[in-house]
Amino acid sequence: DVKVTQSSRYLVKRTGEKVFLECVQDMDHENMFWYRQDPGLGLRLIYFSYDVKMKEKGDIPEGYSVSREKKERFSLILESASTNQTSMYLCASSLPSGMGTYEQYFGPGTRLTVT
Amino acid sequence: DQQVKQNSPSLSVQEGRISILNCDYTNSMFDYFLWYKKYPAEGPTFLISISSIKDKNEDGRFTVFLNKSAKHLSLHIVPSQPGDSAVYFCAASARSNTGKLIFGQGTTLQVKP
Repeated sequence: DVKVTQSSRYLVKRTGEKVFLECVQDMDHENMFWYRQDPGLGLRLIYFSYDVKMKEKGDIPEGYSVSREKKERFSLILESASTNQTSMYLCASSLPSGMGTYEQYFGPGTRLTVT
Repeated sequence: DQQVKQNSPSLSVQEGRISILNCDYTNSMFDYFLWYKKYPAEGPTFLISISSIKDKNEDGRFTVFLNKSAKHLSLHIVPSQPGDSAVYFCAASARSNTGKLIFGQGTTLQVKP
């Protein structure tokens, strides 16, 4: 069974704080993704990584950065948290698209509240 | 520019009846489509997928239909059960997307006992 774990289920931070969200997968997947889910907007891609130290911006990268030092771990960083970053954050992993499958496996999510 | 759209935010059906969830897309380069199910406070879980070379894929109570000319896909759940109550997301990908998925806004399905 693929397992994607996220460091926290619930997190409350103050405006201006630096926030780290950690994600670990145990299936040796090359691809890893960070999304945020907001009501009525679906899942929006923030960043993704297709290899160690490789990253690409998604649709909404502003205010976020990422780090991938090891294949199994992908971190999302909010440099200076703002209230509009209050959201559900979801991490996912997948095999490379050349493997013929596009299925992504998701972690349980982190509900972040910025006050 | 929403490339994948789920125009119905919610759907309510009676237990035992058919649930039909719809999804439209605009990008003709999409060649693989997936449906995910999400319960509150959990991550999405993969449900069923279909390649653009097919027009139907079935897995137990779940069937996905693809109409490429209309750029439309639908998920049929028969018979619907209360445990199917969740948010359903459709997603699409193209070979050039390096594995990225484009998600719709989601449809909340409520199955009433």
